[in-house]
Amino acid sequence: EAGVAQSPRYKIIEKRQSVAFWCNPISGHATLYWYQQILGQGPKLLIQFQNNGVVDDSQLPKDRFSAERLKGVDSTLKIQPAKLEDSAVYLCASSLQGGSPLHFGNGTRLTVT
Amino acid sequence: GDSVTQMEGPVTLSEEAFLTINCTYTATGYPSLFWYVQYPGEGLQLLLKATKADDKGSNKGFEATYRKETTSFHLEKGSVQVSDSAVYFCALSEDYGGSQGNLIFGKGTKLSVKP
Repeated sequence: EAGVAQSPRYKIIEKRQSVAFWCNPISGHATLYWYQQILGQGPKLLIQFQNNGVVDDSQLPKDRFSAERLKGVDSTLKIQPAKLEDSAVYLCASSLQGGSPLHFGNGTRLTVT
Repeated sequence: GDSVTQMEGPVTLSEEAFLTINCTYTATGYPSLFWYVQYPGEGLQLLLKATKADDKGSNKGFEATYRKETTSFHLEKGSVQVSDSAVYFCALSEDYGGSQGNLIFGKGTKLSVKP
């Protein structure tokens, strides 16, 4: 089966600019997650979707980060405006449902200068 | 809050050496425990898991036992190969029944195996 697809692979922007990341989960996977992985740290959950509804966004900095999963398939994560501390790898993962194994994409590496 | 602490790397071993990567956790409930692996240029993959005390997870020659009394989940392999070079993450989930949502990760341990 095709894995979780993410794009772009790399992105460099200046602070205060905006950026968007895209994720296409494995076909049929109802649950989708966005994680942030800062260099030298483990991934941290930003938001979890079940179909097109948000299950958990308690760690999403809502003043600058937003995410949507229209139609319950693809998802986009946006940062506006970006800060230097947003430099990280943004990982998307999906699972059949909330209790199933997670499948991770290769991530988008964001550098904010 | 819940947290995971794992030994800092990098860890460098010769091929066929014994591997231990320590992991301890803090949790309010009864978490499920996981080891994930990230090979160079690839995404995170589940390596093994354990959902209750004294469970042993195993895969690809790696093992880890859920020790509630010491709140530990150390990763071991008897004989490492060059192909095991990767970053290893210990993680927990407070969800029940082995659910893997809301994972809390350690910082990761980079393993390099030399021929």
